Amino acid sequence: QLQLQESGPGLVKPSETLSLTCTVSGGSISSSTYYWGWIRQPPGKGLEWIGSIYYSGSTHYNPSLKSRVTISVDTSKNQFSLKLTSVTAADTAVYYCARLPNNDYWGQGTLVTVSS
Amino acid sequence: QPVLTQSSSASASLGSSVKFTCTLSNGHSRYIIVWHQQQPGKAPRYLMKVEGSGTYNRGSGVPDRFSGSSSGADHYLTISNLQSEDEADYYCETWDSSTRVFGGGTKLSVL
Repeated sequence: QLQLQESGPGLVKPSETLSLTCTVSGGSISSSTYYWGWIRQPPGKGLEWIGSIYYSGSTHYNPSLKSRVTISVDTSKNQFSLKLTSVTAADTAVYYCARLPNNDYWGQGTLVTVSS
Repeated sequence: QPVLTQSSSASASLGSSVKFTCTLSNGHSRYIIVWHQQQPGKAPRYLMKVEGSGTYNRGSGVPDRFSGSSSGADHYLTISNLQSEDEADYYCETWDSSTRVFGGGTKLSVL
């Protein structure tokens, strides 16, 4: 059974960089059938796509976040990662990783709070 | 870039049926739509994929009380024989070659 698990700091200071890693188990991140993504959900609000990555390293980002987002993949560790720079309180959210194209497997999510 | 529109809320009685609508913006009627369920305090759960033709495929373990369909720009998720555990937020999602988008979600209350 495929599983995804997010990890990283739960508290980030304003203007600093948010860094999260998603570890995939029970399947290979190098599959040509699937690719991988990050989604976030501010408290009490809806879902927002952040970006996607193929095992080759090819990426697509939400235009509203593109200037601050970097997604990378480490096939040797079966992991992919998210970096979001210059964070503000508006970036406080639960961050999920998921398998694409259908988002048919989701991680449990991790709450990241931006606060000094 | 496609835009998805959902009603903000819906309510229905235990044992009845409810139908959610997800409307694609103009020119995107043939896009694939995916439906997710998010119960309170939990991560979203994949329910199904609905093709522009109306063909749908449920995810593993999703009860057959959940079905999908489409008509033009409108894509539907129907839940029959409503159970208390169906009380949740329901999101539709789609994508094109470079971007993905979610609908705003519909909150279902089971009476």
